[in-house]
Amino acid sequence: ELKVEQNPLFLSMQEGKNYTIYCNYSTTSDRLYWYRQDPGKSLESLFVLLSNGAVKQEGRLMASLDTKARLSTLHITAAVHDLSATYFCAVDSSAGNKLTFGGGTRVLVKP
Amino acid sequence: GAVVSQHPSRVICKSGTSVKIECRSLDFQATTMFWYRQFPKQSLMLMATSNEGSKATYEQGVEKDKFLINHASLTLSTLTVTSAHPEDSSFYICSASRQPSPGELFFGEGSRLTVL
Repeated sequence: ELKVEQNPLFLSMQEGKNYTIYCNYSTTSDRLYWYRQDPGKSLESLFVLLSNGAVKQEGRLMASLDTKARLSTLHITAAVHDLSATYFCAVDSSAGNKLTFGGGTRVLVKP
Repeated sequence: GAVVSQHPSRVICKSGTSVKIECRSLDFQATTMFWYRQFPKQSLMLMATSNEGSKATYEQGVEKDKFLINHASLTLSTLTVTSAHPEDSSFYICSASRQPSPGELFFGEGSRLTVL
């Protein structure tokens, strides 16, 4: 059974500082996704990582994938208040878009 | 871009009634759609895989007689919560992907069910 673990579960950030969210998974994966969720809303796609060593960046967010370590990271650079949300990683181990989600990381950026 | 739409976005019903939630792929065909459930402050849990023209595949622990899934066309899957109870109150989200598999994946806006 595929297990996906995120840590930390909660992250209180100061504006301007850098932080990292970790996502570990238990079996071989074909794809790894990162999503953002605002309260009461559905998921907003951030990144799709397809291969070992993949790195993607968008604004202050950068995601990377190490398939050998079964680890993905989401790095936040110079946090700003607008990044406050819950972030989920999700793994597709079936090559069919059937996702297993991590527990989520609730991010609160304080001024 | 591709859009997956859910309806209704919010529904309140009385205990014992049934509620139907629709998931539509608006500009592409989806032979497979997925239904997830999310309780407050928790993660998304896969409930079932909806297959066009055939029976849905349910995850372990999900009651197939309670959560009826119908995928009657290549653009529409429905989830019916039968004899709803307060513990069924949750946020239900569907996803669909373009063909051929595994195409780009899209999530619906979600449907919040409150059972009184």
